[in-house]
Amino acid sequence: DGGITQSPKYLFRKEGQNVTLSCEQNLNHDAMYWYRQDPGQGLRLIYYSQIVNDFQKGDIAEGYSVSREKKESFPLTVTSAQKNPTAFYLCASRDRLTEAFFGQGTRLTVV
Amino acid sequence: KQEVTQIPAALSVPEGENLVLNCSFTDSAIYNLQWFRQDPGKGLTSLLLIQSSQREQTSGRLNASLDKSSGRSTLYIAASQPGDSATYLCAPAGDAGNMLTFGGGTRLMVKP
Repeated sequence: DGGITQSPKYLFRKEGQNVTLSCEQNLNHDAMYWYRQDPGQGLRLIYYSQIVNDFQKGDIAEGYSVSREKKESFPLTVTSAQKNPTAFYLCASRDRLTEAFFGQGTRLTVV
Repeated sequence: KQEVTQIPAALSVPEGENLVLNCSFTDSAIYNLQWFRQDPGKGLTSLLLIQSSQREQTSGRLNASLDKSSGRSTLYIAASQPGDSATYLCAPAGDAGNMLTFGGGTRLMVKP
């Protein structure tokens, strides 16, 4: 089936630890996005990539890093510099004039 | 920078009512606008996509309109059902990175 897959569904991070969230799509979309959602809030853009080997910061990029080595994959690393990482993380992909598709999300909790 | 506002923030109605959810955005230079549904703890499900050249789109009991020049979109839900209970999000897509910018959503509760 075509779609976008995020893993893991739940992730726990210790203080000072880096963790990586996976996002894979088989829709052949050029653009991929990472959003953060806090309880009762809308989605805020962390990073986006329009093409392989290129990405741009969104509104809340501090404490996060990404890579786009393959068209299908756009992993997000939450670094120790992100002081309040507990949130729901959503990955999306789209082409310019088509609808965006979202993964089912990763819930990250600091323990 | 695009800013999106959704009104009302929350809505509780009895089953069977027709509903109107409003979305306004500040930058009219958009390619399209998408409406999503989000159930608690889940990802987003696409409901409707309206291209900037279109005025409206329909899918079943859902109808979305777009007035690009005034920066407004409306999602109309006919004959609401308890299964429609969810948060509804609108997201215009602009030029820079084709990124979707989200409003805070409308949290809908349809009571049996």
